[in-house]
Amino acid sequence: KNQVEQSPQSLIILEGKNCTLQCNYTVSPFSNLRWYKQDTGRGPVSLTIMTFSENTKSNGRYTATLDADTKQSSLHITASQLSDSASYICVVSANYKLSFGAGTTVTVRA
Amino acid sequence: SAVISQKPSRDICQRGTSLTIQCQVDSQVTMMFWYRQQPGQSLTLIATANQGSEATYESGFVIDKFPISRPNLTFSTLTVSNLSPEDSSIYLCSVEDPGGNAFFGQGTRLTVV
Repeated sequence: KNQVEQSPQSLIILEGKNCTLQCNYTVSPFSNLRWYKQDTGRGPVSLTIMTFSENTKSNGRYTATLDADTKQSSLHITASQLSDSASYICVVSANYKLSFGAGTTVTVRA
Repeated sequence: SAVISQKPSRDICQRGTSLTIQCQVDSQVTMMFWYRQQPGQSLTLIATANQGSEATYESGFVIDKFPISRPNLTFSTLTVSNLSPEDSSIYLCSVEDPGGNAFFGQGTRLTVV
C-alpha cells in the first residue's frame, strides 16, 4: 500500500476557477512535504516544500497547507490557467527517503 | 537550484537491446538518484548513484538490469539492459540541494517494441 495517497486521481476545471487537491500520508518520521508540478513529457518541478512547523506556504497562485497531526496536505490552485494543466505530485520525505504519491492530473479547459 | 540535462528525451528500442540514459548537472553533487515512473503510477527509486563507489539499489532493482556509472560529481548514466516491453516507462534522474529540495531531469520516455 502506497504511503502517500492523493485524491482525486484526476479532475477537469474551467479556466479561472479554483480547485483543491488532497494528499494523505502515513510516512514517518516526517521530515518535509513537497508538492511538484509535472507537465506532460517533463520532469517534476517543485512548487512548495513545508516542514513540520509550517501550516501553509504559497507560490504565486499555488497555496499548500499541511496538518502534521492528521497527516494531511492540500494544494489549492487559484484562478486556474490553461498552463496549470499538469500532474501534481505530493512527496513526503522521511529518513532521507522520498515517498511519492501517484499524482492528480488536472485539466484546465477554456 | 540545479539544472539537469537528461538525454535522450525519448527512444523506441527493440526488445533484447539496451538503452543508456545520460544525466548532466550544472553543479557538483554528492548523490544522484534514478527513478522510474510507470504509466499512471508514482515515481519509484531505482538506485542512488554515488561518485567513487558502487550505486545503491532499491529492493526489486539489480545492477545487472540497471547498471549505473558515476564517473564524476556532475554526470551519471543509467543503462536499462535486456529490454522487454515491461521496461516501457519514463526514467528520471534527480539531485537534491542542501535544503533537501529535489530537482529532476526532463525524463526519458522509453518504449520497448
